[in-house]
Amino acid sequence: DAGITQSPRYKITETGRQVTLMCHQTWSHSYMFWYRQDLGHGLRLIYYSAAADITDKGEVPDGYVVSRSKTENFPLTLESATRSQTSVYFCASSDRSYGDEKLFFGSGTQLSVL
Amino acid sequence: AQSVTQPDIHITVSEGASLELRCNYSYGATPYLFWYVQSPGQGLQLLLKYFSGDTLVQGIKGFEAEFKRSQSSFNLRKPSVHWSDAAEYFCAVGKNTGNQFYFGTGTSLTVIP
Repeated sequence: DAGITQSPRYKITETGRQVTLMCHQTWSHSYMFWYRQDLGHGLRLIYYSAAADITDKGEVPDGYVVSRSKTENFPLTLESATRSQTSVYFCASSDRSYGDEKLFFGSGTQLSVL
Repeated sequence: AQSVTQPDIHITVSEGASLELRCNYSYGATPYLFWYVQSPGQGLQLLLKYFSGDTLVQGIKGFEAEFKRSQSSFNLRKPSVHWSDAAEYFCAVGKNTGNQFYFGTGTSLTVIP
């Protein structure tokens, strides 16, 4: 099915381990985003990408790495997971067409760091 | 810096009653404004958006929102709430370059019979 998909849906890991969350979209949207959702903070932008090979930091980038070698994929890597990174992570994409700029969200990845 | 404030963390309304969720923003230029809804265990879905023009915008599921520049507000309304409207609602502001969106902390809506 077309859309934006995230995997895995749930992940449990231990502190210090590397974890990669996957995000794939089929619309060829130029922009992609990673957000984390935490109680009391709403959604906070981690990283975003304007196009393949172009990425930039958001509000809370520390401890995360992203890449975008292909337009459709935007993986998020926690290089050494910490408990403070326990959260729900949402990937989103956006089309830059003027007048129709909105975010399309994946279903999220619930990550627990023990 | 841009920011979004949703002053109500949680709201409870009776089914059939009217609803208003508040949103205030801080942004130097003309903002793009959005309301998203999140059902439990799901991603966010766009309800409506404001870019320019008519300050009263209509969205899906019978929702509407009014942009008031003088009050820096973009409140969401629905005249008659249904039990299926119970969800988390997020207000967001976007830069006019379309590459960054900032979300409020959300308002959780409970609907009682």
